[in-house]
Amino acid sequence: AQSVAQPEDQVNVAEGNPLTVKCTYSVSGNPYLFWYVQYPNRGLQFLLKYITGDNLVKGSYGFEAEFNKSQTSFHLKKPSALVSDSALYFCAVREESSYKLIFGSGTRLLVRP
Amino acid sequence: GAGVSQSPSNKVTEKGKDVELRCDPISGHTALYWYRQRLGQGLEFLIYFQGNSAPDKSGLPSDRFSAERTGESVSTLTIQRTQQEDSAVYLCASSLAGLGGHNEQFFGPGTRLTVL
Repeated sequence: AQSVAQPEDQVNVAEGNPLTVKCTYSVSGNPYLFWYVQYPNRGLQFLLKYITGDNLVKGSYGFEAEFNKSQTSFHLKKPSALVSDSALYFCAVREESSYKLIFGSGTRLLVRP
Repeated sequence: GAGVSQSPSNKVTEKGKDVELRCDPISGHTALYWYRQRLGQGLEFLIYFQGNSAPDKSGLPSDRFSAERTGESVSTLTIQRTQQEDSAVYLCASSLAGLGGHNEQFFGPGTRLTVL
């Protein structure tokens, strides 16, 4: 069965510092991995995805994520955080043979000035 | 349209009443999904449409929940005899393809349902 774990309920960083939001997954086949961001009172916005190829994926707003097959991880990163990055971040996984996206429980990112 | 739209944005209803939530996907997207997000929790998959058919309804919480899609476009999620535990944000998403594709899903803003 597919599953996603986001071990941190909240991540706090200072503006200008690098940030990492952790995600690990479990699937039986090849994974398709996604990151979404949710701002207050708004729907989820797609940030980036890993399908195949280069393990480092670059996405919107300066975010990137690194796929690590041996550790079954897909951590979200940004070299320099902005206060406006404060939001709720969701990692999601889909098996190659499936249509269903399985979401993690979400990590709240708080960037302080 | 430019994105996925949902209506109403907010719905307050009394326990026992029926509600109907609407989703307009991005034009040309054949796959459509409904999710539920309870307060402070992640997204819970409800149902998936490929075209007008729903190959998987296993995520629907009970037989009070039903959904349909017409014209490979608009979808309606209906909750009958609402209960307080149905209170949540209901999110709709669409994508170019479901099974066999690796397209990202695009989400609407959601309908916040409150059952008193």
